[in-house]
Formats: sequence, C-alpha cells, structure tokens
Amino acid sequence: GQQVMQIPQYQHVQEGEDFTTYCNSSTTLSNIQWYKQRPGGHPVFLIQLVKSGEVKKQKRLTFQFGEAKKNSSLHITATQTTDVGTYFCASNYGQNFVFGPGTRLSVLP
Amino acid sequence: GAGVSQSPRYKVAKRGQDVALRCDPISGHVSLFWYQQALGQGPEFLTYFQNEAQLDKSGLPSDRFFAERPEGSVSTLKIQRTQQEDSAVYLCASSSPGLAGRSSDTQYFGPGTRLTVL
Repeated sequence: GQQVMQIPQYQHVQEGEDFTTYCNSSTTLSNIQWYKQRPGGHPVFLIQLVKSGEVKKQKRLTFQFGEAKKNSSLHITATQTTDVGTYFCASNYGQNFVFGPGTRLSVLP
Repeated sequence: GAGVSQSPRYKVAKRGQDVALRCDPISGHVSLFWYQQALGQGPEFLTYFQNEAQLDKSGLPSDRFFAERPEGSVSTLKIQRTQQEDSAVYLCASSSPGLAGRSSDTQYFGPGTRLTVL
C-alpha cells in the first residue's frame, strides 16, 4: 500500500535548539498535512500544504512542500518545552488517508 | 458540539468478546474517519464515510471489524470476537471537505477509545 516515511524517528534537543522533521513519499502527493500529538493526547491539525514548493509559517514553525510534491519538512526554531510531542505528516490517497510513523520530539529544559 | 467525542474512553474486553465503539462527529461534518493507533505508531486508516456512505473500508484488518453510520452523523465501530492484537487506541476524526468527494480537508480528532483485550 501507499507509504509515507518520516525521519528521524526520535529527536532529543536542548531547549532553544532548532528541530526539523522530514516526510517522504515514493509517489507524488496531492497535498500534505501536519499534525501534532502530545503524550496521551490525540492528533491536532497544524497545517495543510497543497502547492509545489509551498512554504508556510506559523510563529516558530516553518512548513515546506517539495517542488516534486514528494517530500515535506517541518522546522521549529528555538524549541520550547511546549513543543514536546510527536509530529506526523499525512496525505490522502484517494479516499484513504495515510499517516507517517511520526517523529517524537523531546525538549530538555 | 464543541468537538468530536468518543465513548467509551477506555474499554477492557476478554478475548472473544464483541465491542462497540461510538463516535459523535462535529455537527454538520460530512466526512468521518476511523483509525487504529498502536502504541508508539502513527494512526492507521481503517475506514471512511461521506455522510452515511462508507466510501472506503480498505483499512479494516479483518471481517471481524465492521463500521456503520446509518444516519450520516454518529458512527459505530464494532469488533467481533476480539483478539489481543486488536488492543490499540481507536481514533475517530471528522471533517467538512471543501470539494465534493474529497477527503483531504482538516481532520478534527476525538480523544480516542483505548481498547485492551485480555
């Protein structure tokens, strides 16, 4: 079936350091969505990218969709302890919706 | 309602029992998704409804899993003869796609039902 891959699986950073997670697909995506899931919580929508090469920013978060629409990245500048959680990319394949395995971010104060 | 709600929040079942998990989507949301999330994994798609129509059930792992949304609002995921490998968090999400037939808009997730099969 369709697969969306994410790296790294885990990332431990010191508070104030930057963080990036990468999402890759073997096939062209119509869109990419990013979600954040806090420990013990449920996924919460962050953003959707649709256009090739699109870049969107939300405060310290920068989201990018690759030119070939096969990859995406999420970059967090100057991480804070509130950024702790697992970040998932996801995309739809027809009526199916596929999530990546996620990158778990730990932020040490 | 304020958001997607699911019940029960926790369910413990003995192997072989049947369970029914309920999802109340956001009022007016056309699309409804069910996912299975194992510990430390991403959500795995199970099935998708547009109103009362089940448009995709390709993710249901076996014929023991059955989902319905008879009136296009509340949905129930039923698992028959539960097995230990069914233990997971079952997430429901709803959305209101901007274009007819598309499932790609923002999904709002419920808190999930944690199923433990002993």
